[in-house]
Order: sequence, then C-alpha cells, then structure tokens
Amino acid sequence: AQRVTQPEKLLSVFKGAPVELKCNYSYSGSPELFWYVQYSRQRLQLLLRHISRESIKGFTADLNKGETSFHLKKPFAQEEDSAMYYCALYFGNEKLTFGTGTRLTIIP
Amino acid sequence: DAGITQSPRHKVTETGTPVTLRCHQTENHRYMYWYRQDPGHGLRLIHYSYGVKDTDKGEVSDGYSVSRSKTEDFLLTLESATSSQTSVYFCATSQGRAYNEQFFGPGTRLTVL
Repeated sequence: AQRVTQPEKLLSVFKGAPVELKCNYSYSGSPELFWYVQYSRQRLQLLLRHISRESIKGFTADLNKGETSFHLKKPFAQEEDSAMYYCALYFGNEKLTFGTGTRLTIIP
Repeated sequence: DAGITQSPRHKVTETGTPVTLRCHQTENHRYMYWYRQDPGHGLRLIHYSYGVKDTDKGEVSDGYSVSRSKTEDFLLTLESATSSQTSVYFCATSQGRAYNEQFFGPGTRLTVL
C-alpha cells in the first residue's frame, strides 16, 4: 500500500544549525511530492514541491528514488522556521496522502 | 486567506447529535476536500469533491457524508457524532487535481462529549 512516513514527531534544532526533516514513501511508481507547513496561528500552506525544484525560505528537498525519500533541508535554521511540517504525496488517485507530521522547534 | 472560510470555527456537541460543517470558497476552484487532523495521524482525507454534485470517499469516510450543491460550498455532515470524531477539521480547495497546490481553510475544532 502507498504510504508516507515521517519518522520524527518532534525535532528541536538550535538556531543557525542545519535542519533535516525526514520523509520516506512507499510507492513503486513516480509520485509527485510536496512539503506543506503550518506556522503558529496560520493556515496550512504549500512550502515546496519537488517538480518545481525551487528553494523556498531557504528550504530545499530532493527526491531520492533509490531510497524513496524526500527529505526537507535547510543549512541554517532560523527561529521563524518553527512550525509543523507535513510531507505529502500524490499517487495519481485524485488524492494527496499526508504524513503524520513533524513539529520543528528552533531553539534560540 | 479570506478566499476559504469555515463555519463554525469551534463547536462542542454531544454524542449522537448531527453536526454539519460548512466550507465556503470564493476562488471558483473545482476541487474541494475535507480533512481531519489528529495527533499521531497527521492529516487524513475524509471526502473530496471534483465538481458540483460529484464527490468521492477518502481514507476515513465512515460516519461522514458530504454534499456540494454549488461550486462555492462543500458541507461535511456527521449524522450521529461520536467521541472518536473529536478532531480539527480542515477544508481545502485546488484549481485542478490533487497534485496542484491545495489552499486550506482556518479549521474547525469539534469536540464531541
């Protein structure tokens, strides 16, 4: 079955340190992958999608088909990065499948 | 943000009562979705709509029904609320299929006692 796994429920990182939020998926085809973010008291919103291969707010994510991963990375964490992050995959069935989310806390 | 609204924003109800949540959009998006957000489960799709009167089930549709009589409104009904349906409910819309960017509403916090 198609599945999205975010192994870390909570992640704390010091300001200025690198950040990596893990996302693994199980799917034999070529999925479309996304990262959505929910900042405190804001709506859930799209952060980035792999097909556009862009960097948003300093974050990047690379699709690794061999490891079936789509980890989100940022070289230097900032306090405003504290948020809930969801990895999401589209398997071609008219639906997005979300992971369980990782709450990122940046320690000043 | 004002393009997608949800009502009510908060509701407390008792087990066995019917509950209807409303999602209203002014974006003229074809697709609309209802999700529930629960700790440890993330976001799970309940139902979605791909047009007026066109709806389909998501992964956690048991106990829920939906209706979409016009483009701008998507209603989620709990016919007989249970405590397991205590959750935060999010509506989302997208211009096209699910691989397009989804825009989310502010959420409705529902408590079933």
